[in-house]
Formats: sequence, structure tokens, C-alpha cells
Amino acid sequence: QVTLKESGPGILQPSQTLSLTCSFSGFLLSASSVGVGWIRQPSGKGLEWLATIGWEDVKHYNPSLKSRLTISKDTSNNQVFLKITSVDTADTGTYYCAHSAGFAYWGQGTLVTVSS
Amino acid sequence: DIVMTQAPLSVSVTPGESASISCRSSKSLLHSNGITYVYWYLQKPGKSPQLLIYRMSNLASGVPDRFSGSGSETDFTLKISRVEAEDVGIYYCGQLLENPYTFGAGTKLELK
Repeated sequence: QVTLKESGPGILQPSQTLSLTCSFSGFLLSASSVGVGWIRQPSGKGLEWLATIGWEDVKHYNPSLKSRLTISKDTSNNQVFLKITSVDTADTGTYYCAHSAGFAYWGQGTLVTVSS
Repeated sequence: DIVMTQAPLSVSVTPGESASISCRSSKSLLHSNGITYVYWYLQKPGKSPQLLIYRMSNLASGVPDRFSGSGSETDFTLKISRVEAEDVGIYYCGQLLENPYTFGAGTKLELK
């Protein structure tokens, strides 16, 4: 059974760095063609893909945010991380991680609020 | 970026009747390998999105066969036969062909 769960700070101030963790089970990130992606959703709005990391450590970023994003993984502990630098109120929303094969499995999401 | 345009933005359906949602992409989603990289997701109220259809017409695991996907290279349709109360939510199409992956704005399905 594939499960993913996101964790984050909840609230942070503008200009800070947002650090998110995705803890997963039911699959191995070391397996061929496997990856994990991050998608976010501002409250009441649509979905925005942010980044994906693959089993071979290949990383893909949304060009609109690339300069602020860093995705990484800890294969031995089944975790994927996302950092977003210099956050502002526009980064407020729910952040999801998902199994990258068609985003077939999603976590429950973690709400992040950027506020001074 | 590939723009995904959904229509309608909302639809109201009588339980037991059918519903169709359209999605159009600004670029062909047909890869040279013959696969069309369009996906459909349902986000039920207060929940995470769930995959319904992958690669245009393939039913995801555990999804009722009342759901079906079809289309061409740029025009796609999600059809729900015999709508049930559990089908209420927002439906999104998405393209996973090229970076950045993009999604439509969503179609809200409600019951009459």
C-alpha cells in the first residue's frame, strides 16, 4: 500500500525559507522509473506543479519558480524534501507530494501560511 | 507552457444521469511513443486530488468504470455515467508531457 505524508512549519514569515518533508512508504525511490513530485494549491484555487525528483536523482523544476526551489531525497529513510527560499504571501497554500507516475498517489497535504 | 482549458467551469447533474467535462490543450499531448499524456483527477471536498484516468483513456486502480476518458491530440473528454453523490467535487485535467506540468482550472460538479 502506497502512502505519502507531508510535513511543514505551518506558518512562517515573508523572506524566510520554507522547508517541507514528504515521508512515504509502499515503494522504493531507488527503483527504476520511480519519482516523487510536489504540487501546491492556494486556498480555493487550482493546482501548480513545483518539482519532481527521480530514482536516479534527476531533478525537474517549474521554470517559473526554479531559482527558489531545491528538491532532494533521502532514499534510505524514504523521504523527499523541498525548500523554497524567499517566501511571500503568494506562497500560502496547501502543499502536496505525490508519486510521480501520473501522480497516482497523493499525500493529505500540509497547509503553509506566509504572514507577517 | 502548455495551457489546459476546461469547460464548463461548473456543472449540475441529476443523480443517475451522465456528465461530460471537456479539456483542451494548447499543444498536442501525443508523444512519439504513441501515448497521450493527459490525466484526470477528482478532488472531493476537503480531500487531496485522486487520479481517475491516466494517459487519456486508462482507468486508474479502484476507480469505478462509470468513468471514462477519450480524446484526440488536443481535445479530451471525461465522461461520468450514472452520476452518484460520491462524484461531487472538482475535476482537473492535467498534462504530464512536458515541463512544466500544468493543470486546468477545474470543473466543479454538483448534484441537482
